[in-house]
Amino acid sequence: DSGVTQTPKHLITATGQRVTLRCSPRSGDLSVYWYQQSLDQGLQFLIQYYNGEERAKGNILERFSAQQFPDLHSELNLSSLELGDSALYFCASSVVYGATQYFGPGTRLTVL
Amino acid sequence: GIQVEQSPPDLILQEGANSTLRCNFSDSVNNLQWFHQNPWGQLINLFYIPSGTKQNGRLSATTVATERYSLLYISSSQTTDSGVYFCAVVAGNQFYFGTGTSLTVIP
Repeated sequence: DSGVTQTPKHLITATGQRVTLRCSPRSGDLSVYWYQQSLDQGLQFLIQYYNGEERAKGNILERFSAQQFPDLHSELNLSSLELGDSALYFCASSVVYGATQYFGPGTRLTVL
Repeated sequence: GIQVEQSPPDLILQEGANSTLRCNFSDSVNNLQWFHQNPWGQLINLFYIPSGTKQNGRLSATTVATERYSLLYISSSQTTDSGVYFCAVVAGNQFYFGTGTSLTVIP
């Protein structure tokens, strides 16, 4: 158990809908990362937050947004969902940027 | 963005054998990390290794930043080593992943 929790574990929804994925980092970790893993695109970095502020942005679509709250948990919002958004979404946390990342179990999103 | 190539794409080993996985990258990077994804999907960060050599038990990694490659060594492989090994490089604040090496260790 990495200490990083993600909810929900599975999510099935329809095209055009909006969903929110939640991540709670390990106790004491200030940095949160979001990744997407799909058969087509492989593993991709989406976005990183450090202590509530956006630190880096990767291949994140404009339909996606994220934030890190004062209690350090993070949410990834996906809107106007398309079939191609079906993927495993991982959250990871680390003490500071660049330190070892600890991954959550992932949220499997299926868009029908 | 930076291109990250991993080789070999697939590897099958007998338990107890040694192996070397390679990661080549196309430009200068700030950092390089190795990850293992087990057959159940769990991702584990193995090494944070922008340069030099690190060892952790049966695993070790070497990065030669000037020549733009990194190697992951697995010695005395065990069935629990099976899964996919990813290399990721960091340039600026961006992460770029390779497509992974799928390792199967046979008892």
